[in-house]
Amino acid sequence: GAGVSQSPSNKVTEKGKDVELRCDPISGHTALYWYRQSLGQGLEFLIYFQGNSAPDKSGLPSDRFSAERTGGSVSTLTIQRTQQEDSAVYLCASSLGRGRTDTQYFGPGTRLTVL
Amino acid sequence: GQSLEQPSEVTAVEGAIVQINCTYQTSGFYGLSWYQQHDGGAPTFLSYNALDGLEETGRFSSFLSRSDSYGYLLLQELQMKDSASYFCAVRALRDSNYQLIWGAGTKLIIKP
Repeated sequence: GAGVSQSPSNKVTEKGKDVELRCDPISGHTALYWYRQSLGQGLEFLIYFQGNSAPDKSGLPSDRFSAERTGGSVSTLTIQRTQQEDSAVYLCASSLGRGRTDTQYFGPGTRLTVL
Repeated sequence: GQSLEQPSEVTAVEGAIVQINCTYQTSGFYGLSWYQQHDGGAPTFLSYNALDGLEETGRFSSFLSRSDSYGYLLLQELQMKDSASYFCAVRALRDSNYQLIWGAGTKLIIKP
């Protein structure tokens, strides 16, 4: 079946504007993750959903960042009043949510550039 | 706290063997995963070790020693297409949730 999809693939915005990033997980995957990756760096965990609830929001860098998931499927990451340091690739991953041996499948990412 | 260490960069020659090490410090450890990421691409799953020992999948093998908090990824018969970043990630139980805690990644450079 289809993999994880994300939209848009690229987003250029002006400082201070709000942006919404979308993730469509693999059908049937109950767990969904958002990560941020700056150029040449590792993955920075942002938030984890199990179903529609977010048991771990510890990675969100500030209150300008929020995320929601509806219907146990699509998730939206919203960044308000964007700053230049928000520029990065935002990756979404989903998994079956079986815990210990869970494998995460990643989408292609959204490259966000804040001017 | 929880941390993972892996070399930032490794260089090897096409056709050779290379080992990428990963040491970790974490509570609630369950297993060690490896992911590959090509430039501009998304990470893709390579392997997962929950028990001590070597797991082999084609040209790639992964090893874990829980007592030493150490693992490695071994790539044999290197090909130019193996040039990528390789991330180790620890699966750990944190606040009743299983999480993947990621290393910073190792950039593998392969020379002809």
